[in-house]
Amino acid sequence: GAGVSQSPSNKVTEKGKDVELRCDPISGHTALYWYRQSLGQGLEFLIYFQGNSAPDKSGLPSDRFSAERTGGSVSTLTIQRTQQEDSAVYLCASSPLASGTDTQYFGPGTRLTVL
Amino acid sequence: AQSVTQLDSQVPVFEEAPVELRCNYSSSVSVYLFWYVQYPNQGLQLLLKYLSGSTLVKGINGFEAEFNKSQTSFHLRKPSVHISDTAEYFCAVSKGGSEKLVFGKGTKLTVNP
Repeated sequence: GAGVSQSPSNKVTEKGKDVELRCDPISGHTALYWYRQSLGQGLEFLIYFQGNSAPDKSGLPSDRFSAERTGGSVSTLTIQRTQQEDSAVYLCASSPLASGTDTQYFGPGTRLTVL
Repeated sequence: AQSVTQLDSQVPVFEEAPVELRCNYSSSVSVYLFWYVQYPNQGLQLLLKYLSGSTLVKGINGFEAEFNKSQTSFHLRKPSVHISDTAEYFCAVSKGGSEKLVFGKGTKLTVNP
């Protein structure tokens, strides 16, 4: 079946611009996660959704970062006024339920480069 | 808070040799443990996970890991590696009642002919 998809696969933007990253989870998965993978910091949790609500936003690095999920499906991560330190691979994952035991299925990621 | 330490950032081995990738975690509460693999330009794929029960966990592609509570370790092993096992391997932990994964920095495994 279809896995987690993310778009775009690559995004190059100029410092100060806003960007939107999209994630389509596996159909029927209620939980959706965003992580960031960068050379200096490794893999970091950003936010997760249970349905359309976000019980844990603790990993968002600043108020320039926001995310939403609509219809219990697609999610968008928005970064406003991008900075060079935002350059990273943004990974999305989904799981059937939001629990510590469920396997999270990852998408291929969006590589963001801020010039 | 939990943390995960992967002691080796890079591990080179020859084909058909055994390999062990080390992972230690710290947590004051019970945790669940995972190993994920990332092939070049791909997302992460679950290799195996420990939730409870037998401390020896078998996963895909011939990998296995052993949970050691006293040493707070969850090392990944394979008795004979293939060229196709070349990838980056991530150890991760989640806490009961918490949904997010906390990852180690990763270990790049390079299998040479």
